[in-house]
Amino acid sequence: AQSVTQLGSHVSVSEGALVLLRCNYSSSVPPYLFWYVQYPNQGLQLLLKYTSAATLVKGINGFEAEFKKSETSFHLTKPSAHMSDAAEYFCAVSAEGASGSARQLTFGSGTQLTVLP
Amino acid sequence: DTAVSQTPKYLVTQMGNDKSIKCEQNLGHDTMYWYKQDSKKFLKIMFSYNNKELIINETVPNRFSPKSPDKAHLNLHINSLELGDSAVYFCASSPLALNEQFFGPGTRLTVL
Repeated sequence: AQSVTQLGSHVSVSEGALVLLRCNYSSSVPPYLFWYVQYPNQGLQLLLKYTSAATLVKGINGFEAEFKKSETSFHLTKPSAHMSDAAEYFCAVSAEGASGSARQLTFGSGTQLTVLP
Repeated sequence: DTAVSQTPKYLVTQMGNDKSIKCEQNLGHDTMYWYKQDSKKFLKIMFSYNNKELIINETVPNRFSPKSPDKAHLNLHINSLELGDSAVYFCASSPLALNEQFFGPGTRLTVL
């Protein structure tokens, strides 16, 4: 079984400030981890993914995340927030299916990021 | 070029009606999915098909029936719609070898 916990359903930061969105996971097998972003009235867009290579993963729009196995965490950061970063962010974990079939994504409950001018 | 497309984008209907949502992907992916996003933005997988074969079927009322005529299409048919079915439904696809899923723009279903 796998699960994801996102701490903080709402995060507000000032423009130019550090963005930190927290994600902790639980998985009985080595996980793949993802961050997706959802802008209002749109679908989900992949920001970045961890698939057992480098533990520090860089994504689009200046975001990055670090996989920490000892802490079972995969927090998302961005050094300087921009107004256009305001959106809903989802952390997701996937593990291999029982019969080696496609991995199933389990999403966290999402974090709404507000960027204040 | 739209990678994963869904129609319609908005669907408003009365309780008890039957409706379908269509999904098409032009990425050549093997696997397609349906997700439901509720009013609190919580995303939950409903179904997954691999090469037209059902591989994931979560606890979903049997009023919901997915149909995959070919590996580029995965449609969702809903019978006897209920108020609680109101949500945004997302289609997604992925290649089997990778795990990244590509999402469609969503269909907002409102049941009155």
